[in-house]
Amino acid sequence: QQNVQQSPESLIVPEGARTSLNCTFSDSASQYFWWYRQHSGKAPKALMSIFSNGEKEEGRFTIHLNKASLHFSLHIRDSQPSDSALYLCAAAASSGSWQLIFGSGTQLTVMP
Amino acid sequence: EAAVTQSPRNKVTVTGGNVTLSCRQTNSHNYMYWYRQDTGHGLRLIHYSYGAGNLQIGDVPDGYKATRTTQEDFFLLLELASPSQTSLYFCASSDLGGSETLYFGSGTRLTVL
Repeated sequence: QQNVQQSPESLIVPEGARTSLNCTFSDSASQYFWWYRQHSGKAPKALMSIFSNGEKEEGRFTIHLNKASLHFSLHIRDSQPSDSALYLCAAAASSGSWQLIFGSGTQLTVMP
Repeated sequence: EAAVTQSPRNKVTVTGGNVTLSCRQTNSHNYMYWYRQDTGHGLRLIHYSYGAGNLQIGDVPDGYKATRTTQEDFFLLLELASPSQTSLYFCASSDLGGSETLYFGSGTRLTVL
């Protein structure tokens, strides 16, 4: 049974900072890795995904995946107050019929 | 952008009550999901379906039934609601499961007194 853990639980950073959010997963056969973002009172929305080891960049956001260490992360460059939200990581493996299992979330606050 | 509509937005019931949460997607997606969201637990999968008439059990199914009546419609049923089921419920849809984007509805906040 897949177990996905996120750290830290909450994070407060100043505007312009580089922010790093972490996620570990338990099933070494996991193949699909996602970050979702949820602004207060809103639905979660997909931010980025990665399906192979390495790094993927989209604008100010970068995902790193290291399957051997069962770890992936999200890095935000030049953090903005609009980035303040709950960030949810998720992973999918065959043990879960390829359905996403989510972590408990990191609450990010970017102070102006 | 994919459209997923949930109803009602808010629901209050009493312990032992009967509740049905509704979800409709208009994107011809194969998969539909019901998640619950509680502080400290993130999103937990209750049930999901990959087509009309199909139902798969998720990670926290106890106390919940679900039914997929059509490609578009997926219902979550609480037949004997308990206070532990007070939560924010999200419906989502996707085309191919974990390899594709999940599109979420706006959520239903359920309170069981």
